[in-house]
Amino acid sequence: DGGITQSPKYLFRKEGQNVTLSCEQNLNHDAMYWYRQDPGQGLRLIYYSQIVNDFQKGDIAEGYSVSREKKESFPLTVTSAQKNPTAFYLCASKGFLRTDTQYFGPGTRLTVL
Amino acid sequence: GESVGLHLPTLSVQEGDNSIINCAYSNSASDYFIWYKQESGKGPQFIIDIRSNMDKRQGQRVTVLLNKTVKHLSLQIAATQPGDSAVYFCAESPNQAGTALIFGKGTTLSVSS
Repeated sequence: DGGITQSPKYLFRKEGQNVTLSCEQNLNHDAMYWYRQDPGQGLRLIYYSQIVNDFQKGDIAEGYSVSREKKESFPLTVTSAQKNPTAFYLCASKGFLRTDTQYFGPGTRLTVL
Repeated sequence: GESVGLHLPTLSVQEGDNSIINCAYSNSASDYFIWYKQESGKGPQFIIDIRSNMDKRQGQRVTVLLNKTVKHLSLQIAATQPGDSAVYFCAESPNQAGTALIFGKGTTLSVSS
Protein backbone atom coordinates (compact mmCIF):
# COMPACT_ATOMS: atom_id res chain seq x y z
CA ASP A 1 0.00 0.00 0.00
CA GLY A 2 2.99 2.27 -0.36
CA GLY A 3 2.91 4.06 2.98
CA ILE A 4 -0.73 5.15 2.82
CA THR A 5 -2.97 4.14 5.68
CA GLN A 6 -6.71 4.38 5.82
CA SER A 7 -8.70 3.71 8.91
CA PRO A 8 -10.86 2.03 9.77
CA LYS A 9 -11.10 -0.76 7.18
CA TYR A 10 -14.83 -1.19 7.81
CA LEU A 11 -17.14 1.50 9.11
CA PHE A 12 -20.82 1.36 9.95
CA ARG A 13 -22.96 4.41 10.55
CA LYS A 14 -26.60 5.20 10.95
CA GLU A 15 -28.35 7.21 8.30
CA GLY A 16 -28.16 10.94 8.98
CA GLN A 17 -24.84 10.85 10.81
CA ASN A 18 -21.70 12.50 9.53
CA VAL A 19 -18.62 10.28 9.41
CA THR A 20 -14.96 11.09 8.87
CA LEU A 21 -12.61 8.73 7.06
CA SER A 22 -8.92 8.97 7.82
CA CYS A 23 -6.09 8.99 5.27
CA GLU A 24 -2.44 9.37 6.26
CA GLN A 25 0.66 9.06 4.11
CA ASN A 26 4.33 9.00 5.06
CA LEU A 27 5.64 9.28 1.50
CA ASN A 28 6.14 13.04 1.65
CA HIS A 29 3.73 13.36 -1.27
CA ASP A 30 2.32 16.74 -2.15
CA ALA A 31 -0.93 15.59 -3.77
CA MET A 32 -3.68 13.53 -2.19
CA TYR A 33 -6.96 12.22 -3.59
CA TRP A 34 -10.24 10.67 -2.52
CA TYR A 35 -12.17 8.28 -4.76
CA ARG A 36 -15.42 6.46 -4.36
CA GLN A 37 -15.94 2.99 -5.81
CA ASP A 38 -19.30 1.26 -6.05
CA PRO A 39 -19.62 -2.50 -6.64
CA GLY A 40 -18.44 -3.47 -10.11
CA GLN A 41 -17.70 0.14 -10.97
CA GLY A 42 -14.68 2.28 -11.63
CA LEU A 43 -13.16 5.02 -9.53
CA ARG A 44 -14.90 8.35 -9.22
CA LEU A 45 -12.99 11.36 -7.94
CA ILE A 46 -14.48 13.13 -4.93
CA TYR A 47 -11.86 15.70 -3.92
CA TYR A 48 -8.18 16.25 -4.40
CA SER A 49 -5.50 18.44 -2.92
CA GLN A 50 -2.24 19.36 -4.57
CA ILE A 51 -0.83 21.34 -1.68
CA VAL A 52 -1.48 21.96 1.99
CA ASN A 53 -4.44 24.24 2.72
CA ASP A 54 -5.79 23.89 -0.80
CA PHE A 55 -8.18 21.39 -2.41
CA GLN A 56 -10.44 21.07 -5.44
CA LYS A 57 -13.75 19.37 -6.06
CA GLY A 58 -13.76 16.28 -8.19
CA ASP A 59 -16.62 14.83 -10.20
CA ILE A 60 -18.84 13.87 -7.26
CA ALA A 61 -18.06 16.30 -4.42
CA GLU A 62 -21.65 16.93 -3.32
CA GLY A 63 -22.28 15.64 0.20
CA TYR A 64 -18.57 15.38 1.03
CA SER A 65 -16.04 17.71 2.63
CA VAL A 66 -12.28 17.59 3.13
CA SER A 67 -9.47 19.46 4.82
CA ARG A 68 -5.72 19.53 4.23
CA GLU A 69 -4.16 21.11 7.26
CA LYS A 70 -1.09 18.86 7.18
CA LYS A 71 0.85 17.47 4.25
CA GLU A 72 0.50 13.88 5.46
CA SER A 73 -3.23 13.94 6.23
CA PHE A 74 -6.34 14.34 4.07
CA PRO A 75 -9.50 13.36 5.98
CA LEU A 76 -12.80 12.97 4.18
CA THR A 77 -16.12 13.70 5.87
CA VAL A 78 -19.20 12.04 4.47
CA THR A 79 -22.08 14.27 5.48
CA SER A 80 -25.75 13.51 5.91
CA ALA A 81 -26.32 15.38 2.63
CA GLN A 82 -24.73 12.51 0.70
CA LYS A 83 -27.76 10.59 -0.53
CA ASN A 84 -26.15 7.20 -1.01
CA PRO A 85 -22.93 7.03 1.03
CA THR A 86 -22.50 3.25 1.20
CA ALA A 87 -19.40 2.53 -0.89
CA PHE A 88 -15.71 1.67 -0.88
CA TYR A 89 -13.58 4.78 -0.35
CA LEU A 90 -10.02 4.96 -1.61
CA CYS A 91 -7.38 7.50 -0.76
CA ALA A 92 -4.35 8.05 -2.98
CA SER A 93 -1.26 10.24 -3.04
CA LYS A 94 1.49 11.19 -5.44
CA GLY A 95 4.45 13.49 -5.79
CA PHE A 96 4.50 16.97 -7.19
CA LEU A 97 5.16 16.05 -10.81
CA ARG A 98 2.15 15.11 -12.93
CA THR A 99 3.89 11.91 -14.02
CA ASP A 100 4.85 10.80 -10.52
CA THR A 101 3.31 7.46 -9.66
CA GLN A 102 0.01 7.64 -7.82
CA TYR A 103 -0.29 5.16 -4.97
CA PHE A 104 -3.47 4.00 -3.29
CA GLY A 105 -4.33 3.13 0.27
CA PRO A 106 -6.14 -0.09 1.26
CA GLY A 107 -9.57 1.54 1.32
CA THR A 108 -12.40 1.97 3.81
CA ARG A 109 -15.70 0.23 3.27
CA LEU A 110 -18.48 2.45 4.60
CA THR A 111 -21.92 1.00 5.21
CA VAL A 112 -24.76 3.27 6.20
CA LEU A 113 -27.58 1.42 7.91
CA GLY B 1 -17.99 12.14 -18.23
CA GLU B 2 -15.22 9.58 -18.52
CA SER B 3 -12.87 9.72 -21.45
CA VAL B 4 -11.16 6.43 -20.72
CA GLY B 5 -12.93 3.16 -21.26
CA LEU B 6 -12.16 -0.51 -21.65
CA HIS B 7 -13.48 -2.56 -24.51
CA LEU B 8 -14.54 -5.58 -22.48
CA PRO B 9 -15.81 -5.65 -18.91
CA THR B 10 -14.66 -9.25 -18.39
CA LEU B 11 -11.97 -11.51 -19.78
CA SER B 12 -11.57 -15.20 -18.98
CA VAL B 13 -8.35 -17.06 -19.80
CA GLN B 14 -6.65 -20.32 -18.97
CA GLU B 15 -3.53 -20.41 -16.85
CA GLY B 16 -0.47 -20.08 -19.04
CA ASP B 17 -2.26 -18.16 -21.78
CA ASN B 18 -1.32 -14.62 -22.72
CA SER B 19 -3.93 -11.98 -21.81
CA ILE B 20 -4.62 -8.74 -23.61
CA ILE B 21 -6.67 -6.04 -21.93
CA ASN B 22 -7.67 -3.07 -24.04
CA CYS B 23 -8.46 0.54 -23.29
CA ALA B 24 -9.57 3.46 -25.44
CA TYR B 25 -9.05 7.06 -24.51
CA SER B 26 -10.54 10.17 -26.08
CA ASN B 27 -8.66 13.10 -24.56
CA SER B 28 -6.07 14.22 -27.09
CA ALA B 29 -4.29 16.18 -24.39
CA SER B 30 -3.42 13.00 -22.49
CA ASP B 31 0.26 12.14 -22.69
CA TYR B 32 0.78 9.80 -19.77
CA PHE B 33 -1.00 6.51 -19.16
CA ILE B 34 -1.01 4.04 -16.31
CA TRP B 35 -2.33 0.54 -15.67
CA TYR B 36 -3.49 -0.51 -12.22
CA LYS B 37 -4.46 -3.91 -10.82
CA GLN B 38 -7.10 -4.14 -8.10
CA GLU B 39 -7.66 -7.34 -6.17
CA SER B 40 -10.94 -7.86 -4.40
CA GLY B 41 -11.35 -5.64 -1.34
CA LYS B 42 -8.00 -3.90 -1.83
CA GLY B 43 -6.72 -0.64 -3.23
CA PRO B 44 -5.40 -0.50 -6.80
CA GLN B 45 -1.73 -1.32 -7.34
CA PHE B 46 0.44 0.35 -9.93
CA ILE B 47 1.54 -2.07 -12.66
CA ILE B 48 3.19 -0.09 -15.41
CA ASP B 49 3.06 3.30 -17.07
CA ILE B 50 3.93 4.77 -20.45
CA ARG B 51 4.47 8.26 -21.80
CA SER B 52 3.24 9.40 -25.17
CA ASN B 53 6.75 9.58 -26.62
CA MET B 54 6.84 5.76 -26.46
CA ASP B 55 4.86 3.06 -28.26
CA LYS B 56 5.78 0.17 -26.05
CA ARG B 57 7.08 -0.46 -22.58
CA GLN B 58 7.88 -3.77 -20.96
CA GLY B 59 7.90 -4.85 -17.37
CA GLN B 60 8.06 -8.19 -15.70
CA ARG B 61 5.56 -10.35 -17.65
CA VAL B 62 3.64 -7.23 -18.67
CA THR B 63 3.83 -5.04 -21.73
CA VAL B 64 1.92 -1.85 -22.41
CA LEU B 65 1.31 -0.74 -25.98
CA LEU B 66 0.21 2.74 -26.94
CA ASN B 67 -1.30 3.65 -30.30
CA LYS B 68 -1.77 7.40 -30.34
CA THR B 69 -3.23 7.39 -33.84
CA VAL B 70 -6.36 5.56 -32.71
CA LYS B 71 -6.09 6.54 -29.03
CA HIS B 72 -5.72 2.96 -27.86
CA LEU B 73 -3.84 1.43 -24.98
CA SER B 74 -3.37 -2.23 -24.18
CA LEU B 75 -1.90 -4.31 -21.40
CA GLN B 76 -0.45 -7.67 -22.28
CA ILE B 77 0.20 -10.21 -19.55
CA ALA B 78 2.40 -13.13 -20.50
CA ALA B 79 1.85 -16.62 -19.10
CA THR B 80 -1.15 -15.55 -17.06
CA GLN B 81 -1.34 -17.02 -13.56
CA PRO B 82 -4.25 -17.42 -11.14
CA GLY B 83 -2.73 -14.62 -9.05
CA ASP B 84 -3.32 -12.28 -11.98
CA SER B 85 -7.06 -12.56 -11.44
CA ALA B 86 -8.20 -9.03 -10.59
CA VAL B 87 -9.79 -5.93 -12.05
CA TYR B 88 -7.49 -3.94 -14.31
CA PHE B 89 -7.93 -0.20 -14.79
CA CYS B 90 -6.28 2.08 -17.26
CA ALA B 91 -5.86 5.74 -16.39
CA GLU B 92 -4.87 8.76 -18.41
CA SER B 93 -3.27 12.02 -17.41
CA PRO B 94 -4.11 15.04 -19.55
CA ASN B 95 -1.24 17.45 -20.05
CA GLN B 96 -3.04 20.21 -18.21
CA ALA B 97 -1.96 21.79 -14.95
CA GLY B 98 -3.96 20.80 -11.92
CA THR B 99 -5.82 17.85 -13.43
CA ALA B 100 -6.26 14.47 -11.81
CA LEU B 101 -6.00 11.04 -13.40
CA ILE B 102 -9.03 9.88 -15.36
CA PHE B 103 -9.88 6.22 -14.81
CA GLY B 104 -11.72 3.80 -17.03
CA LYS B 105 -14.37 1.39 -15.78
CA GLY B 106 -12.10 -1.64 -15.51
CA THR B 107 -11.81 -5.14 -16.94
CA THR B 108 -12.20 -8.15 -14.70
CA LEU B 109 -9.64 -10.82 -15.57
CA SER B 110 -10.46 -14.36 -14.46
CA VAL B 111 -7.76 -17.00 -14.74
CA SER B 112 -8.72 -20.63 -14.47
CA SER B 113 -6.30 -23.45 -13.72
